[in-house]
Amino acid sequence: AQTVTQSQPEMSVQEAETVTLSCTYDTSESDYYLFWYKQPPSRQMILVIRQEAYKQQNATENRFSVNFQKAAKSFSLKISDSQLGDAAMYFCALFMNYGGATNKLIFGTGTLLAVQP
Amino acid sequence: DTGVSQDPRHKITKRGQNVTFRCDPISEHNRLYWYRQTLGQGPEFLTYFQNEAQLEKSRLLSDRFSAERPKGSFSTLEIQRTEQGDSAMYLCASSLGSGGVYEQYFGPGTRLTVT
Repeated sequence: AQTVTQSQPEMSVQEAETVTLSCTYDTSESDYYLFWYKQPPSRQMILVIRQEAYKQQNATENRFSVNFQKAAKSFSLKISDSQLGDAAMYFCALFMNYGGATNKLIFGTGTLLAVQP
Repeated sequence: DTGVSQDPRHKITKRGQNVTFRCDPISEHNRLYWYRQTLGQGPEFLTYFQNEAQLEKSRLLSDRFSAERPKGSFSTLEIQRTEQGDSAMYLCASSLGSGGVYEQYFGPGTRLTVT
């Protein structure tokens, strides 16, 4: 069975500083995708960044970047120059595109990020 | 592109009543997903459609739950004989599902409260 683990229930960062959110996953498949989603309080889930497992290069989207370690099954999110608007629950998610039971997002339990002014 | 929309945004119902939620995906997206999210947890998969075909259902989806996607456009999720344990946020997501594009885009959700 595929699982996603986020071991940090809460994190805090000062405005303009850098923070890293951890995620580990488990799958026996070699072809999969990893995502980070952001869910602000009482607002909808927003896609932050994606990573294809077959790509060795780490994905980057503006202030957001990932450290993808395939052998270690680790997928951390780094937020640089943190802003007050980054405060949210962050979910790590795993997706495998097979025509069957695994064709869905599997989410971790989330990390609640607070940004201090 | 207007994004994924869901209706209603909030629903309060009494135990035993039936409720129906609607989801309108991004227009060119073939895949549509339903998830359930309880407070402080990540979303859990319920079911998914490829066009009008319902290809997978989670064990979480008891016989009281049914979903449809007629003509491969909008989808409805119906819960019959609601129970207090059904109280949750019900999220809909859609994706293109081809050409390596598998990102799922979420709607705002329908928050169900069963009293």
